[in-house]
Amino acid sequence: NAGVTQTPKFRILKIGQSMTLQCTQDMNHNYMYWYRQDPGMGLKLIYYSVGAGITDKGEVPNGYNVSRSTTEDFPLRLELAAPSQTSVYFCASSYAGEGYEQYFGPGTRLTVT
Amino acid sequence: GENVEQHPSTLSVQEGDSAVIKCTYSDSASNYFPWYKQELGKRPQLIIDIRSNVGEKKDQRIAVTLNKTAKHFSLHITETQPEDSAVYFCAATFGGTASKLTFGTGTRLQVTL
Repeated sequence: NAGVTQTPKFRILKIGQSMTLQCTQDMNHNYMYWYRQDPGMGLKLIYYSVGAGITDKGEVPNGYNVSRSTTEDFPLRLELAAPSQTSVYFCASSYAGEGYEQYFGPGTRLTVT
Repeated sequence: GENVEQHPSTLSVQEGDSAVIKCTYSDSASNYFPWYKQELGKRPQLIIDIRSNVGEKKDQRIAVTLNKTAKHFSLHITETQPEDSAVYFCAATFGGTASKLTFGTGTRLQVTL
């Protein structure tokens, strides 16, 4: 199993541009999550999904959108990128809810200038 | 919302000594408390977790203790080795079945020879 994969690894965006961060898992996990990690800080939850067709906001959803059309994929969309969105983005998945380990992808380092 | 405080932010120990990292949480309904290790430039990885019905859990050189009454939990690493050098994050669940995690701000552990 590849586990959780993310593309791209790195990206530089200009202010106002848009992009989609891709996330795929091959573990047949129901739950998927998007986090952002700012330098020297912990991870903050952006959006999560408990199954295909179901998404919900986390702690810091403004400026982002998600969709979950399949069990495997959970893309994160940035519209009108702003410098405040410069961060490392991690996708994660887990088999179920509370008490189940979340497996993280390798991350996408995004810079908005 | 849920809040998790983590101390210290940096910790330097000599090889072979013990290291202790402490976290407090605000939501008395939290039931699951994982610890993640993140090496420089890598993804977070689960190293140990504890559920609210257990007071202590040990895995080789790593142990976690939980005091639900005081709403705090701690990570203990004994006989530290250079490969233990990393950033450690505590987390706590909130929001019931979705297993949403709130992370602490991290502790940078440096094990010196």
